[in-house]
Amino acid sequence: KNEVEQSPQNLTAQEGEFITINCSYSVGISALHWLQQHPGGGIVSLFMLSSGKKKHGRLIATINIQEKHSSLHITASHPRDSAVYICAVRSRGAQKLVFGQGTRLTINP
Amino acid sequence: NAGVTQTPKFQVLKTGQSMTLQCAQDMNHEYMSWYRQDPGMGLRLIHYSVGAGITDQGEVPNGYNVSRSTTEDFPLRLLSAAPSQTSVYFCASSFDRATGELFFGEGSRLTVL
Repeated sequence: KNEVEQSPQNLTAQEGEFITINCSYSVGISALHWLQQHPGGGIVSLFMLSSGKKKHGRLIATINIQEKHSSLHITASHPRDSAVYICAVRSRGAQKLVFGQGTRLTINP
Repeated sequence: NAGVTQTPKFQVLKTGQSMTLQCAQDMNHEYMSWYRQDPGMGLRLIHYSVGAGITDQGEVPNGYNVSRSTTEDFPLRLLSAAPSQTSVYFCASSFDRATGELFFGEGSRLTVL
């Protein structure tokens, strides 16, 4: 079993829909990152979380430390949100990140 | 403030050739790392550094070499390229290794023939 599991692997939705991407991990962590990668593009950091919830524009990220689970939500989704979303965790005391496989999101107009 | 600058963006090599991928950051970040991204595999750590003069191996270090002589630069060297090293490479940095926000370079697409 991977240390970081994302679901779903692929998600297609219509413009305007509310999107949820999930990330579960199996180790104690010091931080969890949500990253965005557009097709053929670079990787951008969206959020870094160690507890609670963060919001930036239409994006919301939450984390439940006890359940070892995080969610990324997109409200009023738009075709420009189409990208791969990657969850990554840094284990407590570790010096490296462990990445999920990514969730490929496609928003159709 | 340029962030993380990674070069070249594209490179084609023949088997056995050597090359260096350059990575530089101007944010005074302690932590720098190199990843490779392959279809269906996600990002995998090659090497990382927690400060000038300190480097360590990641998940897939074989065939790669790194050095960190300054805080700003963290080059990745391919000693003798192999087709299995065909991949997209990303350099990333953060202020510290524990909780710092990650900044990525734009990526380098390497093809080894």
